[in-house]
Amino acid sequence: DVQMTQSPSSVSASVGDRVTITCRASQGINRWLGWYQQKPGKAPKLLIYVASTLQSGVPSRFSGSGSGTDFTLTISSLQPDDFATYYCQQSGSLPVTFGQGTRLDSK
Amino acid sequence: EVQLVESGGGLVKPGGSLRLSCAASGFTFKNAWMSWVRQAPGEGLEWVGRIKSKSDGGTVEYATAVQGRFTISRDDSQNTLYLEMNSLKTEDTAMYYCTTYSGTYYVSEFWGQGALLTVSS
Repeated sequence: DVQMTQSPSSVSASVGDRVTITCRASQGINRWLGWYQQKPGKAPKLLIYVASTLQSGVPSRFSGSGSGTDFTLTISSLQPDDFATYYCQQSGSLPVTFGQGTRLDSK
Repeated sequence: EVQLVESGGGLVKPGGSLRLSCAASGFTFKNAWMSWVRQAPGEGLEWVGRIKSKSDGGTVEYATAVQGRFTISRDDSQNTLYLEMNSLKTEDTAMYYCTTYSGTYYVSEFWGQGALLTVSS
Protein backbone atom coordinates (compact mmCIF):
# COMPACT_ATOMS: atom_id res chain seq x y z
CA ASP A 1 0.00 0.00 0.00
CA VAL A 2 1.14 3.57 -0.68
CA GLN A 3 1.90 5.39 2.56
CA MET A 4 0.93 9.06 2.76
CA THR A 5 2.80 11.18 5.28
CA GLN A 6 1.51 14.63 6.13
CA SER A 7 3.45 17.35 7.88
CA PRO A 8 3.06 18.96 10.22
CA SER A 9 0.65 16.83 12.25
CA SER A 10 -0.66 20.01 13.80
CA VAL A 11 -0.14 23.71 13.27
CA SER A 12 -1.28 26.83 15.08
CA ALA A 13 -1.91 29.95 13.06
CA SER A 14 -3.74 33.27 13.11
CA VAL A 15 -6.36 34.75 10.82
CA GLY A 16 -4.61 36.23 7.82
CA ASP A 17 -1.62 33.88 7.99
CA ARG A 18 -0.39 31.86 5.05
CA VAL A 19 -0.44 28.16 5.89
CA THR A 20 1.18 25.31 3.99
CA ILE A 21 0.61 21.60 4.60
CA THR A 22 2.70 18.99 2.85
CA CYS A 23 1.91 15.42 1.89
CA ARG A 24 4.50 12.90 0.75
CA ALA A 25 3.71 9.59 -0.95
CA SER A 26 5.89 6.53 -0.46
CA GLN A 27 5.90 6.01 -4.22
CA GLY A 28 4.98 8.09 -7.23
CA ILE A 29 1.27 8.71 -7.72
CA ASN A 30 1.45 11.11 -10.68
CA ARG A 31 -1.10 13.80 -9.76
CA TRP A 32 -3.75 11.53 -8.28
CA LEU A 33 -4.07 13.40 -5.03
CA GLY A 34 -7.01 14.99 -3.27
CA TRP A 35 -7.31 17.23 -0.23
CA TYR A 36 -10.20 17.21 2.24
CA GLN A 37 -11.22 19.44 5.10
CA GLN A 38 -13.01 18.04 8.15
CA LYS A 39 -14.56 19.91 11.05
CA PRO A 40 -15.43 18.21 14.36
CA GLY A 41 -18.54 16.05 14.16
CA LYS A 42 -18.91 16.60 10.41
CA ALA A 43 -18.20 14.60 7.30
CA PRO A 44 -15.11 15.57 5.31
CA LYS A 45 -15.41 18.01 2.44
CA LEU A 46 -13.51 17.75 -0.83
CA LEU A 47 -11.32 20.79 -1.48
CA ILE A 48 -8.95 19.86 -4.28
CA TYR A 49 -8.54 17.00 -6.75
CA VAL A 50 -5.84 15.94 -9.20
CA ALA A 51 -3.40 17.82 -7.00
CA SER A 52 -4.37 21.35 -7.97
CA THR A 53 -7.95 21.60 -9.24
CA LEU A 54 -10.26 23.45 -6.89
CA GLN A 55 -13.59 21.77 -6.20
CA SER A 56 -16.61 23.89 -7.14
CA GLY A 57 -17.52 26.35 -4.39
CA VAL A 58 -14.18 26.17 -2.58
CA PRO A 59 -12.66 29.61 -1.92
CA SER A 60 -9.71 30.62 -4.10
CA ARG A 61 -7.49 31.13 -1.03
CA PHE A 62 -7.03 27.36 -1.14
CA SER A 63 -4.54 26.00 -3.65
CA GLY A 64 -2.71 22.77 -4.27
CA SER A 65 0.44 21.81 -6.09
CA GLY A 66 2.80 18.93 -6.67
CA SER A 67 3.20 15.72 -8.59
CA GLY A 68 4.95 12.41 -8.18
CA THR A 69 5.59 12.07 -4.46
CA ASP A 70 5.47 15.58 -3.01
CA PHE A 71 2.37 17.73 -2.68
CA THR A 72 1.30 20.86 -0.86
CA LEU A 73 -1.94 22.48 0.23
CA THR A 74 -1.71 26.22 0.79
CA ILE A 75 -4.20 28.57 2.39
CA SER A 76 -3.10 32.03 1.29
CA SER A 77 -4.87 34.06 3.98
CA LEU A 78 -6.38 32.05 6.79
CA GLN A 79 -10.02 32.76 7.62
CA PRO A 80 -11.91 31.83 10.81
CA ASP A 81 -13.82 29.12 8.93
CA ASP A 82 -10.58 27.36 7.95
CA PHE A 83 -9.70 25.99 11.39
CA ALA A 84 -10.17 22.27 10.84
CA THR A 85 -8.29 19.06 10.12
CA TYR A 86 -6.96 18.48 6.61
CA TYR A 87 -6.32 15.14 4.93
CA CYS A 88 -4.59 14.19 1.72
CA GLN A 89 -5.69 11.10 -0.19
CA GLN A 90 -3.86 9.27 -2.96
CA SER A 91 -5.66 7.33 -5.67
CA GLY A 92 -2.74 6.65 -7.97
CA SER A 93 -2.44 3.11 -6.69
CA LEU A 94 -5.01 0.79 -5.15
CA PRO A 95 -5.89 0.59 -2.36
CA VAL A 96 -6.60 4.27 -1.91
CA THR A 97 -4.90 5.65 1.20
CA PHE A 98 -5.15 8.79 3.31
CA GLY A 99 -2.57 10.81 5.15
CA GLN A 100 -2.85 10.88 8.94
CA GLY A 101 -4.25 14.40 8.96
CA THR A 102 -3.06 17.88 9.89
CA ARG A 103 -4.92 19.73 12.60
CA LEU A 104 -5.03 23.50 12.05
CA ASP A 105 -6.00 25.48 15.10
CA SER A 106 -6.00 29.04 16.26
CA LYS A 107 -2.85 30.48 17.78
CA GLU B 1 -29.28 18.10 -4.27
CA VAL B 2 -27.15 15.03 -3.65
CA GLN B 3 -28.14 13.16 -0.49
CA LEU B 4 -26.50 10.11 1.01
CA VAL B 5 -28.11 8.67 4.12
CA GLU B 6 -26.42 5.81 5.93
CA SER B 7 -28.29 3.45 8.24
CA GLY B 8 -27.80 0.17 10.05
CA GLY B 9 -25.10 1.08 12.52
CA GLY B 10 -25.08 -0.25 16.04
CA LEU B 11 -23.36 -2.36 18.68
CA VAL B 12 -22.00 -5.75 17.65
CA LYS B 13 -19.94 -8.34 19.50
CA PRO B 14 -16.51 -9.33 18.18
CA GLY B 15 -16.89 -11.99 15.52
CA GLY B 16 -20.34 -10.74 14.62
CA SER B 17 -21.78 -9.35 11.43
CA LEU B 18 -23.64 -6.23 10.35
CA ARG B 19 -24.85 -4.64 7.14
CA LEU B 20 -24.82 -0.90 6.53
CA SER B 21 -27.00 0.72 3.91
CA CYS B 22 -26.66 4.02 2.12
CA ALA B 23 -29.74 5.49 0.44
CA ALA B 24 -28.79 7.81 -2.40
CA SER B 25 -30.77 10.55 -4.10
CA GLY B 26 -30.28 13.67 -6.19
CA PHE B 27 -28.12 12.04 -8.87
CA THR B 28 -28.18 9.10 -11.27
CA PHE B 29 -27.08 6.39 -8.89
CA LYS B 30 -26.66 3.62 -11.44
CA ASN B 31 -23.98 5.66 -13.24
CA ALA B 32 -22.06 6.50 -10.08
CA TRP B 33 -19.02 4.91 -8.58
CA MET B 34 -19.43 4.72 -4.81
CA SER B 35 -17.19 4.15 -1.84
CA TRP B 36 -17.06 3.64 1.92
CA VAL B 37 -14.64 5.50 4.18
CA ARG B 38 -14.38 4.98 7.92
CA GLN B 39 -13.03 6.92 10.86
CA ALA B 40 -12.27 5.40 14.23
CA PRO B 41 -13.04 7.64 17.22
CA GLY B 42 -10.46 10.40 17.43
CA GLU B 43 -8.52 9.01 14.49
CA GLY B 44 -8.01 9.81 10.82
CA LEU B 45 -9.81 8.73 7.69
CA GLU B 46 -9.43 5.20 6.33
CA TRP B 47 -10.63 4.10 2.92
CA VAL B 48 -12.68 0.89 3.07
CA GLY B 49 -13.38 0.25 -0.59
CA ARG B 50 -15.19 1.30 -3.73
CA ILE B 51 -17.52 -0.15 -6.32
CA LYS B 52 -17.71 0.92 -9.93
CA SER B 53 -20.94 1.42 -11.80
CA LYS B 54 -22.23 -1.66 -13.61
CA SER B 55 -21.64 0.07 -16.94
CA ASP B 56 -17.98 0.38 -15.97
CA GLY B 57 -17.79 -3.26 -14.93
CA GLY B 58 -19.10 -3.12 -11.37
CA THR B 59 -15.77 -4.20 -9.92
CA VAL B 60 -15.01 -3.75 -6.24
CA GLU B 61 -11.71 -2.95 -4.56
CA TYR B 62 -11.03 -3.13 -0.83
CA ALA B 63 -8.55 -1.85 1.69
CA THR B 64 -6.07 -4.44 2.91
CA ALA B 65 -7.50 -4.31 6.46
CA VAL B 66 -10.98 -5.41 5.38
CA GLN B 67 -10.25 -7.63 2.38
CA GLY B 68 -12.02 -10.96 2.79
CA ARG B 69 -14.27 -9.78 5.63
CA PHE B 70 -16.23 -6.89 4.09
CA THR B 71 -18.35 -6.90 0.94
CA ILE B 72 -19.54 -3.83 -0.92
CA SER B 73 -22.56 -4.19 -3.17
CA ARG B 74 -25.19 -2.04 -4.79
CA ASP B 75 -28.85 -2.24 -5.76
CA ASP B 76 -29.36 0.22 -8.58
CA SER B 77 -33.12 -0.42 -8.60
CA GLN B 78 -33.26 0.86 -5.01
CA ASN B 79 -30.53 3.51 -5.33
CA THR B 80 -28.81 1.88 -2.39
CA LEU B 81 -25.23 1.01 -1.53
CA TYR B 82 -24.40 -1.70 1.00
CA LEU B 83 -21.50 -2.66 3.20
CA GLU B 84 -21.70 -6.19 4.57
CA MET B 85 -19.25 -6.67 7.43
CA ASN B 86 -18.33 -10.08 8.84
CA SER B 87 -15.85 -11.38 11.42
CA LEU B 88 -15.92 -7.98 13.06
CA LYS B 89 -13.06 -6.91 15.29
CA THR B 90 -12.87 -4.23 17.96
CA GLU B 91 -10.64 -2.23 15.60
CA ASP B 92 -13.53 -1.99 13.13
CA THR B 93 -15.26 0.39 15.54
CA ALA B 94 -15.71 3.59 13.56
CA MET B 95 -18.01 6.02 11.85
CA TYR B 96 -18.67 4.67 8.38
CA TYR B 97 -19.23 7.19 5.60
CA CYS B 98 -20.82 6.48 2.25
CA THR B 99 -19.45 8.65 -0.56
CA THR B 100 -19.80 9.20 -4.25
CA TYR B 101 -16.47 8.39 -5.89
CA SER B 102 -15.51 10.13 -9.09
CA GLY B 103 -14.60 7.65 -11.81
CA THR B 104 -12.68 10.43 -13.53
CA TYR B 105 -10.74 12.08 -10.71
CA TYR B 106 -10.79 9.27 -8.13
CA VAL B 107 -11.89 11.35 -5.16
CA SER B 108 -14.92 11.30 -2.86
CA GLU B 109 -17.05 14.26 -3.89
CA PHE B 110 -20.19 13.87 -1.76
CA TRP B 111 -20.39 12.33 1.70
CA GLY B 112 -23.18 11.07 3.92
CA GLN B 113 -23.44 11.95 7.59
CA GLY B 114 -22.09 8.58 8.66
CA ALA B 115 -23.25 5.51 10.56
CA LEU B 116 -21.55 4.46 13.79
CA LEU B 117 -20.45 0.88 14.30
CA THR B 118 -19.25 -0.19 17.72
CA VAL B 119 -17.66 -3.61 18.10
CA SER B 120 -17.44 -4.55 21.76
CA SER B 121 -18.16 -7.46 24.04
